Amino acid sequence: EVQLQESGPGLVKPSQSLSLTCSVTGYSITSNYWGWIRKFPGNKMEWMGYISYSGSTSYNPSLKSRISITRDTSKNQFFLQLNSVTTEDTATYYCARGRYLDYWGQGVMVTVSS
Amino acid sequence: DIQMTQSPPSLSASLGETVSIECRASEDIYSNLAWYQQKSGKSPQLLIYYASSLQDGVPSRFSGSGSGTQYSLKISGMQPEDEGVYYCLQGSKYPYTFGAGTKLELK
Repeated sequence: EVQLQESGPGLVKPSQSLSLTCSVTGYSITSNYWGWIRKFPGNKMEWMGYISYSGSTSYNPSLKSRISITRDTSKNQFFLQLNSVTTEDTATYYCARGRYLDYWGQGVMVTVSS
Repeated sequence: DIQMTQSPPSLSASLGETVSIECRASEDIYSNLAWYQQKSGKSPQLLIYYASSLQDGVPSRFSGSGSGTQYSLKISGMQPEDEGVYYCLQGSKYPYTFGAGTKLELK
């Protein structure tokens, strides 16, 4: 069974970097696409970007140069780094598989606050 | 970016009632549309992909239709477990974009 699990700090200070890990079991991240999505307070959802089976990436331009998605194939994990966070980055962050996001992690709530 | 206009923002349905949720894209998305259900405190669950394909394990009362810029999700016979927030997602062009969500409640 495919399972994804996010991990990382729940509290980040403004101007610092947010770093999350998505650990995948039951499926190799060298196949398919792997994405990050966030849900803001109030229900708005945003697709942040993905890393492909080959390691190529695509990012939401709204995040400009703040975002980076990388991976460690030996650990079957992929990562999100979001730099220079503000309070507007407070959200629940999800990782998910595939173009149609057929498997999701349970989500991690991240608050940006001093 | 492709804008996804989802309606209605909320609705209340009786047990057994048929429900429809609409999404309109700002340009042709060639059926590259998915529907998700998110129950309170849970992760989103994929219901429909490629506009009308039912994801494995999803009850057959859920169906999707549409083409071009207009898409809809139908629930044929509302059940208590169908309460939640429903989202559409266009996967035609990057960045992928979501609709604003529809909160569905049992009347």
